[in-house]
Amino acid sequence: GENVEQHPSTLSVQEGDSAVIKCTYSDSASNYFPWYKQELGKRPQLIIDIRSNVGEKKDQRIAVTLNKTAKHFSLHITETQPEDSAVYFCAALARGGGSYIPTFGRGTSLIVHP
Amino acid sequence: KAGVTQTPRYLIKTRGQQVTLSCSPISGHRSVSWYQQTPGQGLQFLFEYFSETQRNKGNFPGRFSGRQFSNSRSEMNVSTLELGDSALYLCASSLWTENTEAFFGQGTRLTVV
Repeated sequence: GENVEQHPSTLSVQEGDSAVIKCTYSDSASNYFPWYKQELGKRPQLIIDIRSNVGEKKDQRIAVTLNKTAKHFSLHITETQPEDSAVYFCAALARGGGSYIPTFGRGTSLIVHP
Repeated sequence: KAGVTQTPRYLIKTRGQQVTLSCSPISGHRSVSWYQQTPGQGLQFLFEYFSETQRNKGNFPGRFSGRQFSNSRSEMNVSTLELGDSALYLCASSLWTENTEAFFGQGTRLTVV
């Protein structure tokens, strides 16, 4: 089955710096890669996603890049703010049984110091 | 539009007991997925239901089961609870099974003592 590795597990940055979180996946059939943000005590929320036919996607301060050949994708947050502090999860989804089967990374705890 | 609602929010059970958790998806959403979240293992996929049928299942023992009703509400059941079942159980709903944008509920925090 699919295996998703996410690094780093913890990332500490100063406000205004950039943050990069990287994920690798093993199943070449995976074709959808969402990123979720989970603030303390709250539900995971989708912040950005990318499909396998696209190499990069940007939404304001957040961007995701995908390298299908190397089977890795990354989340980039620029000009970080304290409210960006949360746990971020990447996921890789492949079709199976008529729907998508998700495999999540173990999460990255991002701490933005004011 | 109401979000995904999970009940109860918190639950304490004893080893060996069974538990049933409930998830009401966003109105109109027909796909419901369940996940187990623990500090050590992260988010793990349990199963997904669409139109009352289980479409996919993760690598969990048979003690974990679920079902979906005609109104798309879903329940998951864990029998013969073990200490290791203590976790946050999240459900997510999406419009249809091919729709990959999932909306999560707040979760049910299960503690097994």
